[in-house]
Formats: sequence, structure tokens, C-alpha cells
Amino acid sequence: GNSVTQMEGPVTLSEEAFLTINCTYTATGYPSLFWYVQYPGEGLQLLLKATKADDKGSNKGFEATYRKETTSFHLEKGSVQVSDSAVYFCALRPNQGGKLIFGQGTELSVKP
Amino acid sequence: GAVVSQHPSWVICKSGTSVKIECRSLDFQATTMFWYRQFPKQSLMLMATSNEGSKATYEQGVEKDKFLINHASLTLSTLTVTSAHPEDSSFYICSARASEYNEQFFGPGTRLTVL
Repeated sequence: GNSVTQMEGPVTLSEEAFLTINCTYTATGYPSLFWYVQYPGEGLQLLLKATKADDKGSNKGFEATYRKETTSFHLEKGSVQVSDSAVYFCALRPNQGGKLIFGQGTELSVKP
Repeated sequence: GAVVSQHPSWVICKSGTSVKIECRSLDFQATTMFWYRQFPKQSLMLMATSNEGSKATYEQGVEKDKFLINHASLTLSTLTVTSAHPEDSSFYICSARASEYNEQFFGPGTRLTVL
């Protein structure tokens, strides 16, 4: 079946540190991959996405590359800020119009 | 951009009462809406999928008589938690998808507390 596995949190970093949140997936075919961010007390916001192998999604300094050979979609940012503190969800959609399947979420806490 | 709103943002009710949560797509027509439940520090659990004008499709283990979903128009879906109990306390999030957008847009969530 289809599933998403994220590294466990919480992840605590100092401001300006490098961030990596690992995400691997299991899926048949060619899913679309997403990263969503949830700030405290709010719903989810789409952070970035990639729809085919080797695509790189990027937004607000965050990047993730769709790696089919390693079935991964790791989230990275070169220099985190306190305002990046949130929960990050990796997700896949098996096919167009299909349901999103979420990972368990990774809480990021950035200290000044 | 596409915006989804939810109302109310939080609600406190007594055990045994019913609570209605609204989800609206503000600037697009949502052919499909999704309702999720999120427990503290956990991922989103899909409860049901609804298409405008038809009955919702519930995920396994979700009581359809407990969580009534109505998708009466292309901009509005409602979730009614009937005879709420403390174990129904949770964060409920809706999302909407339009045929012209290849992604889902999420509402800000509704925090339900049942006393």
C-alpha cells in the first residue's frame, strides 16, 4: 500500500542552522509529493510540491527533491529562523484526484 | 490564491449536544471537500470525502451517523458532530479541491472541546 514515513521529532535547532527533515515513501506508480506546514493552532499550508522524479520543489528557502531511486523527498533549508517553528508534514497523492496520505509530522523548534 | 475558511474557529459544548462546523471555499468552486480529524501532536486522519450533491464517503471506522456531512453547494460543506462526548474533542480540519486545481486547500481548523 501507499505510506509516508517521516523522521521523528521534535527537532530543535538554533537560528541560522541547517535543517533536514527526512521523508520516505512507499507507493505504486508515480505519486505526487508534498510538504505541508502547520503553525500552532492553525490548519495546513502547502509549502512545496513535486509531481515527477527529479523535480525540485522550493518555497521560502525550503527545498525538496523527488528521488525515485531512494523513494525520498527530504525537506531542507540552509538557514532556519525562529518563525519556521512549526509542524511539517510530508504527504503523497498516489494519482491525480486521489487522496492525500500524510506522514506523522515532524515538529521543528528553532531557538534564538 | 484559493482560500478555505472554517467557522467557528473554536467551540465548547456540553456533552450530548450537537455541533455544526462550516467549511467554505471563498474564491473557487469546490467539487470535492475533505474532513480530517487531528489529535494533539498527531497526523491528520481523513474522516470522509464529499462531492457536491452526493453522499459523503466515510473512511473505515468513522461513524456516519455520528459525523454528519453535508456538501450542499460548491462552496459549502458542513460537519455536524451529533450527541457529542468528551472523546470527540479534537481539532477538525477541512480541505477543498476544485477540478481546475490539482491540489487541496486547507481551512484553518476548528477546535472542538466537549465538556
